[in-house]
Amino acid sequence: DTAVSQTPKYLVTQMGNDKSIKCEQNLGHDTMYWYKQDSKKFLKIMFSYNNKELIINETVPNRFSPKSPDKAHLNLHINSLELGDSAVYFCASSQEVGADQPQHFGDGTRLSIL
Amino acid sequence: KQEVTQIPAALSVPEGENLVLNCSFTDSAIYNLQWFRQDPGKGLTSLLLIQSSQREQTSGRLNASLDKSSGRSTLYIAASQPGDSATYLCAALDSSYKLIFGSGTRLLVRP
Repeated sequence: DTAVSQTPKYLVTQMGNDKSIKCEQNLGHDTMYWYKQDSKKFLKIMFSYNNKELIINETVPNRFSPKSPDKAHLNLHINSLELGDSAVYFCASSQEVGADQPQHFGDGTRLSIL
Repeated sequence: KQEVTQIPAALSVPEGENLVLNCSFTDSAIYNLQWFRQDPGKGLTSLLLIQSSQREQTSGRLNASLDKSSGRSTLYIAASQPGDSATYLCAALDSSYKLIFGSGTRLLVRP
């Protein structure tokens, strides 16, 4: 009965490859997010979708493309992977965007680029 | 641009001690301040959320306060236990509805 689930948990791949990370939430939330946690453990917002519409798009290289087929899923596709993309990527969701809305996080996907 | 800072970066205390974790933010125009716990290899668990109009929130042994005018929040943990060992993150929801995180405080509670 995991609330926010991400797959895969670990992803090891070569530079230049294209990869996807999947995220699903079963909380009935309208808003989903992608965060990146770098080697110094700093968490930073990348994207946010509300009801399948993009509402936050931080200064992320356009090699990163989020896709939301429905409001329960937000996948992250990364083209032409680079060494600097190595990090832990977290998906999160909240009921909606608002002052009283806590965010619920998945367990993360650890991406390692060789 | 909102910046969130947490002090100390690491803390080691004996079991049973009461402790305070500090969080400061540079822009007082926030919607809320959230405290999370992160265990190694795991995601974040939401602990407390204080809306900008509130001064504090409590959950069990945890109490979080918010002083928007001074740009500060504190997380108070009473009667600490070894199971409280984790990294504690604070985050401010800024005026663009972006959650801006601090770098965390690594807490070790020694038996």
